[in-house]
Amino acid sequence: RKEVEQDPGPFNVPEGATVAFNCTYSNSASQSFFWYRQDCRKEPKLLMSVYSSGNEDGRFTAQLNRASQYISLLIRDSKLSDSATYLCVVTNAGNNRKLIWGLGTSLAVNP
Amino acid sequence: NAGVTQTPKFRVLKTGQSMTLLCAQDMNHEYMYWYRQDPGMGLRLIHYSVGEGTTAKGEVPDGYNVSRLKKQNFLLGLESAAPSQTSVYFCASSPTTYGGYEQYFGPGTRLTVT
Repeated sequence: RKEVEQDPGPFNVPEGATVAFNCTYSNSASQSFFWYRQDCRKEPKLLMSVYSSGNEDGRFTAQLNRASQYISLLIRDSKLSDSATYLCVVTNAGNNRKLIWGLGTSLAVNP
Repeated sequence: NAGVTQTPKFRVLKTGQSMTLLCAQDMNHEYMYWYRQDPGMGLRLIHYSVGEGTTAKGEVPDGYNVSRLKKQNFLLGLESAAPSQTSVYFCASSPTTYGGYEQYFGPGTRLTVT
């Protein structure tokens, strides 16, 4: 089993739609969780950290379910500019300074 | 702040040639990392550093060496390039604060080995 698993997609949605991505991780001892965004041929950029209580940043909401080892990202009112690959990331349980990366979920927002 | 910068942006090498990739950060971060990204493989950690003068192996260290002589710089060397090292190389840095495990990336170096 991969340490971090994501549905690769692609997700094709119209502008204004709500879309949700899910991610599962294998090590229950992982402590920190993130969503990154990567545009084609660009570097990954931190989108948001994910907290146990859930957190929201504008149109983006992240949730963490430690019992099920599951992380989600909800994007409301999708924009064309949201088209990208979304990477689910968790810290290595034995070393928080090392990150374990999912392969990403591809999102295309269409006009 | 420039954040994390990488030079060069692109490079083509012949098999057996050597080169050094330079990463610089101006955020006073203690931790720095080198990754490679290949289609279908995701980001893989090559080497990392927890501070000036220290380096450690990551997931795929073979064929690479690193040095961290100054806190702000992290160099990645390829002594004898092979076609399997064709990839996009990203450098990242991470703050020192407790709980600040997120990493910030440079724009990448696209390396082709022929």
